[in-house]
Amino acid sequence: AQKITQTQPGMFVQEKEAVTLDCTYDTSDQSYGLFWYKQPSSGEMIFLIYQGSYDEQNATEGRYSLNFQKARKSANLVISASQLGDSAMYFCAMREVTGNTGKLIFGQGTTLQVKP
Amino acid sequence: GAVVSQHPSRVICKSGTSVKIECRSLDFQATTMFWYRQFPKKSLMLMATSNEGSKATYEQGVEKDKFLINHASLTLSTLTVTSAHPEDSSFYICSARTGGWGTDTQYFGPGTRLTVL
Repeated sequence: AQKITQTQPGMFVQEKEAVTLDCTYDTSDQSYGLFWYKQPSSGEMIFLIYQGSYDEQNATEGRYSLNFQKARKSANLVISASQLGDSAMYFCAMREVTGNTGKLIFGQGTTLQVKP
Repeated sequence: GAVVSQHPSRVICKSGTSVKIECRSLDFQATTMFWYRQFPKKSLMLMATSNEGSKATYEQGVEKDKFLINHASLTLSTLTVTSAHPEDSSFYICSARTGGWGTDTQYFGPGTRLTVL
């Protein structure tokens, strides 16, 4: 069965520093997609970054990068130069490929607090 | 692009009444939309997959008669919570799927906070 694990319930980071949010996954599929979403206190889920299992390079989107280590089945999110507005809950997710349902399996989430 | 709206953002209703929540993809067509429920500080729980022109697929444990889903067009899906009770109070959030096979992404609406008195 597919599974996503985020082992850090809460993280603190100083403003302007970088932070890594951990995510490990388990799947027997060869083809899958990995996502990170940000959920501020307002509740909306904001898509941040995507990594395909066959992508050879780590995905980057502005200050966000995904440290994809396929052999270790990890897909950590790195946020560089943290800003106060980065304080939010972050979810790692994996897309089910079997059956092409498009379903996402979410991790438990990590609450990030950026200190001024 | 890839904007999803949800209406209403907040609703308070009396126990026993029904509440309808709308999810719209504003700038793309979505043959598939998803409905999630989220409790405070918890992850999203998938309730059902809404497919345009066909019946929704419900996850195990979700009462299909209580949570009615209608995907009337390529840009609109609705979730109706029938005979709502206080235990149905929660944050409901929808998403719309866009993109080709193997590269699709879900974009989420802003969510609806339901409070049943």
